[in-house]
Amino acid sequence: QVQLQESGPGLVNPSETLSLTCKVSGASMTDSYWSWIRQPPGKGLEWIGWIGFNDYSVTTKSNPSLGSRVTMSLDTSKNQFSLNLASVTAADTAVYYCASSPDGSYGVGYWGQGTLVPVSS
Amino acid sequence: QTVVTQEPSFSVSPGGTVTLTCGLSSGSVSTRNYPNWFQQTPGQAPRTLIYNTNSRSSGVPGRFSGSILGNKAALTIAGAQADDESAYYCLLHLGSGIWMFGGGTKLTVL
Repeated sequence: QVQLQESGPGLVNPSETLSLTCKVSGASMTDSYWSWIRQPPGKGLEWIGWIGFNDYSVTTKSNPSLGSRVTMSLDTSKNQFSLNLASVTAADTAVYYCASSPDGSYGVGYWGQGTLVPVSS
Repeated sequence: QTVVTQEPSFSVSPGGTVTLTCGLSSGSVSTRNYPNWFQQTPGQAPRTLIYNTNSRSSGVPGRFSGSILGNKAALTIAGAQADDESAYYCLLHLGSGIWMFGGGTKLTVL
């Protein structure tokens, strides 16, 4: 069973970079696609992006609405992947979830428990 | 800009059957959009119910089923129970590796 656990700061200042890491157990980093999803308080889910291996090279895709603010990376030696979101504002305050694709398919099969990241000075 | 559409709210009687839908503001939904469905109760992480249109995630009861109905993806809940009262979200692949969630449907069981 795939298990995911987010970790990161409890608070981020406006204009700074939000950084989160997701620790993975129960799966190989090369066999799935790894996603980031967020949910502002009281609102719906927003897809941020995914990272994974395609033809032995790492590929990333991110939500066009977030522009170039999103950077993702993957560390197979530590079984974890990471998200950096630059130039944050209060609108980036949300519960951030890491997730993985379903077995042998696409989309989201497994979820982390989520971590609330407030953006405030 | 493409938008993924869902009914904002729906209600069903206990024991009844309800079908929630997931569409595109432009175009039809097909299996090539790999529809995913999730259930979320307040304060909890979402739970995956359905992926790849109609594949049930491990541990999901058989009364949850996914399909394509006309030009939309559909989630059908048969024999609705009180603890099915939740928010339900769909996720679609729009092409080129880009995904988008629908706005969610709040289901009431009463």
